[in-house]
Amino acid sequence: AQSVTQLDSQVPVFEEAPVELRCNYSSSVSVYLFWYVQYPNQGLQLLLKYLSGSTLVESINGFEAEFNKSQTSFHLRKPSVHISDTAEYFCAVKVMFEGVGNMLTFGGGTRLMVKP
Amino acid sequence: ETGVTQTPRHLVMGMTNKKSLKCEQHLGHNAMYWYKQSAKKPLELMFVYNFKEQTENNSVPSRFSPECPNSSHLFLHLHTLQPEDSALYLCASSQAGTGNEKLFFGSGTQLSVL
Repeated sequence: AQSVTQLDSQVPVFEEAPVELRCNYSSSVSVYLFWYVQYPNQGLQLLLKYLSGSTLVESINGFEAEFNKSQTSFHLRKPSVHISDTAEYFCAVKVMFEGVGNMLTFGGGTRLMVKP
Repeated sequence: ETGVTQTPRHLVMGMTNKKSLKCEQHLGHNAMYWYKQSAKKPLELMFVYNFKEQTENNSVPSRFSPECPNSSHLFLHLHTLQPEDSALYLCASSQAGTGNEKLFFGSGTQLSVL
């Protein structure tokens, strides 16, 4: 079975500062990796994903994440955050070739709080 | 708007009540999911339906009963719940088998069991 650990439950940061949200996973097989974001009173939305290829993936709103196989990590970073980035961020994994269905294992989430 | 609609947005029920949560997706997807989001806990996958057939029941108590009458609709029937069942219940859908591993989530139903 696989598991996902998000080491920080809350990350307070000032606007325009850089931020890193940490995610580590454990799995005995190859996995796909995801970051989802949940804004207040909304469901989760896919932020970015790593399926294969380049280990650095980017989202359209300036976030990026790097897959590090040796460290089994998929940390999320942004060089300069905005107030609108305040949300809960979830890291998730899915076993490759698991078959039909998209059963993700989620981490506990990290609440990013951007202060003016 | 993600294309996945959940109703009601909020629900308060007593432990002896029977209620149902509804989820509808307008994306043409063939897989639908129920997740439970509790405070300070990871999201828990409850049920998975592929092509209207339940393919996953993640050790969920029988007081939760899913129903998937067609590929666009998913229900979660609730009866004799416990206070610890209070949580945000999220529905999601995806197009399984295409290699596009993206889940589309609804906004959830915030359930309070008194």
